[in-house]
Amino acid sequence: NAGVTQTPKFQVLKTGQSMTLQCAQDMNHNSMYWYRQDPGMGLRLIYYSASEGTTDKGEVPNGYNVSRLNKREFSLRLESAAPSQTSVYFCASSVDRGLEQYFGPGTRLTVT
Amino acid sequence: DAKTTQPNSMESNEEEPVHLPCNHSTISGTDYIHWYRQLPSQGPEYVIHGLTSNVNNRMASLAIAEDRKSSTLILHRATLRDAAVYYCILRYGEETSGSRLTFGEGTQLTVNP
Repeated sequence: NAGVTQTPKFQVLKTGQSMTLQCAQDMNHNSMYWYRQDPGMGLRLIYYSASEGTTDKGEVPNGYNVSRLNKREFSLRLESAAPSQTSVYFCASSVDRGLEQYFGPGTRLTVT
Repeated sequence: DAKTTQPNSMESNEEEPVHLPCNHSTISGTDYIHWYRQLPSQGPEYVIHGLTSNVNNRMASLAIAEDRKSSTLILHRATLRDAAVYYCILRYGEETSGSRLTFGEGTQLTVNP
């Protein structure tokens, strides 16, 4: 089991560019999540998907969109990147809502 | 939303027990207490969770106060590999609230050899 995988590991974007962060899990989990972590701070929830076909906003959804492509995959899209979106992005999954979450290794994004 | 308070940092010596405190005085009756840790340059890792009773697993023990306004994560014998930021999180127990984990700033644990 690879667990939760994220691609890419690193990315540099210019302001206004778009990109999609990919996340996949092979644990047959129902729920998936996207968080961001700014330097020296805890994680903040961007969006989550309680089950295939559903998505909900978290604490900081502005500037992002998500797609739950199937049970395994949950992508995060930045349509027009801004320097304020420079952060480390973590994807996570859990068997169901509320249960322990398993995190991926993160994507370090820099927007210049 | 119920909030947690943790010390910014703690130090321990290798092979000694570590007690990491967390205050959550506004906890509601349905909130679960979760602990995660984050090693340098890695994603968070689940450690343990509980509701009312003390809990043990292979990684740690969780001691919950009788009034549930505080809890303590216990690492029985710290190793260098336990150096990490430890997050105490309240997870809303109501299904309709989704599954948000609200991370605070956590406690940076340093383990001295």
